Amino acid sequence: AQSVTQLDSQVPVFEEAPVELRCNYSSSVSVYLFWYVQYPNQGLQLLLKYLSGSTLVKGINGFEAEFNKSQTSFHLRKPSVHISDTAEYFCAVSERNQGGKLIFGQGTELSVKP
Amino acid sequence: EPEVTQTPSHQVTQMGQEVILHCVPISNHLYFYWYRQILGQKVEFLVSFYNNEISEKSEIFDDQFSVERPDGSNFTLKIRSTKLEDSAMYFCASSTGTNYGELFFGEGSRLTVL
Repeated sequence: AQSVTQLDSQVPVFEEAPVELRCNYSSSVSVYLFWYVQYPNQGLQLLLKYLSGSTLVKGINGFEAEFNKSQTSFHLRKPSVHISDTAEYFCAVSERNQGGKLIFGQGTELSVKP
Repeated sequence: EPEVTQTPSHQVTQMGQEVILHCVPISNHLYFYWYRQILGQKVEFLVSFYNNEISEKSEIFDDQFSVERPDGSNFTLKIRSTKLEDSAMYFCASSTGTNYGELFFGEGSRLTVL
């Protein structure tokens, strides 16, 4: 079975500062990895995904994530955040060949302050 | 841009009552899902549905739950006899099935059981 741990429940940061949201996973099989974002009063939106190939994945809104197999991590980064990045961020995994069944982390609330 | 729509946005019900949550997935999608998030906890997979039948369900999805696609556009989740612990945000999602894990989520239906 898979599990996902997001190490920080809340991350406050000032505008234009860099940010890293941490995600670790465990699985006995190969997985796909995802980051979803939830803005206030909206549904979950896919930010980026890792399926295979290059371990550095770029997503929407200037976010990127790096898959590290040895560390079983998939941390999300942005070099300079904006107020509009304030949202809840969810890391998720799915088993290969079970694309729709996502196992989510508990979420990280990113709060960007002016 | 096409989106998944859910109704109602918030429902309050008495324990033991039946509840039906409604979802209209994106029109050309083939795979449909329900997830839920109890306040302060992780987003959890409930069930996936394809070709008019359940393809996978979690341990949470017991006999009190059922899903249906009554026509070509709606996808419903029914809880027959609600319990206090069913209080949660319920998310509907759909996908084409070809982009692994790229689920499109609705804004959620908040269910409060009193």
